[in-house]
Amino acid sequence: LAKTTQPISMDSYEGQEVNITCSHNNIATNDYITWYQQFPSQGPRFIIQGYKTKVTNEVASLFIPADRKSSTLSLPRVSLSDTAVYYCLVDYQGGKLIFGQGTELSVKP
Amino acid sequence: DTGVSQDPRHKITKRGQNVTFRCDPISEHNRLYWYRQTLGQGPEFLTYFQNEAQLEKSRLLSDRFSAERPKGSFSTLEIQRTEQGDSAMYLCASSPYTTSGHENIQYFGAGTRLSVL
Repeated sequence: LAKTTQPISMDSYEGQEVNITCSHNNIATNDYITWYQQFPSQGPRFIIQGYKTKVTNEVASLFIPADRKSSTLSLPRVSLSDTAVYYCLVDYQGGKLIFGQGTELSVKP
Repeated sequence: DTGVSQDPRHKITKRGQNVTFRCDPISEHNRLYWYRQTLGQGPEFLTYFQNEAQLEKSRLLSDRFSAERPKGSFSTLEIQRTEQGDSAMYLCASSPYTTSGHENIQYFGAGTRLSVL
């Protein structure tokens, strides 16, 4: 049974690096992993997407180990404005779109 | 604004009434998705279209839910005979579809919040 699992919450301080891990045990060879950020009363906003190894863009990095059963979103030097809920999305075998339950990140001064 | 637009933003209805929500995707996107999100949960996939074709609808929550995208542009999601359990945020997303082998990134609207009294 395809399932996407994340920690419910995390706390951090401004300037720290934050790593959020998502588990997706039943991921198939061609399934991509996408991370979104969501603020209250808004739709999710795209952060980063990856397939294997490491992907980096201007806001985050995504690390995917060789077995691809998990992935880690890394946010460098978080600020107060990064306080939000972060979701992992896996498209299992093209069409089974399953979000994790979300990780509520709280960044403190 | 060239993002995904949803209308209305909020809808309050009485149990048993029918409601319809509209989604206007980003104009060059040919895939359109509908999700339901309840408080404290991740979005739950309902259905998606490629152009006007509904390619997946088995995840629609019951036969009271239906979606259309008649001309491959905007889409509507209808809920008939609403129940209190239908109260949630309904999100629409769109993506371009390519055959490059890369996954298609979805861009979300702000959602329609439904309250069933």
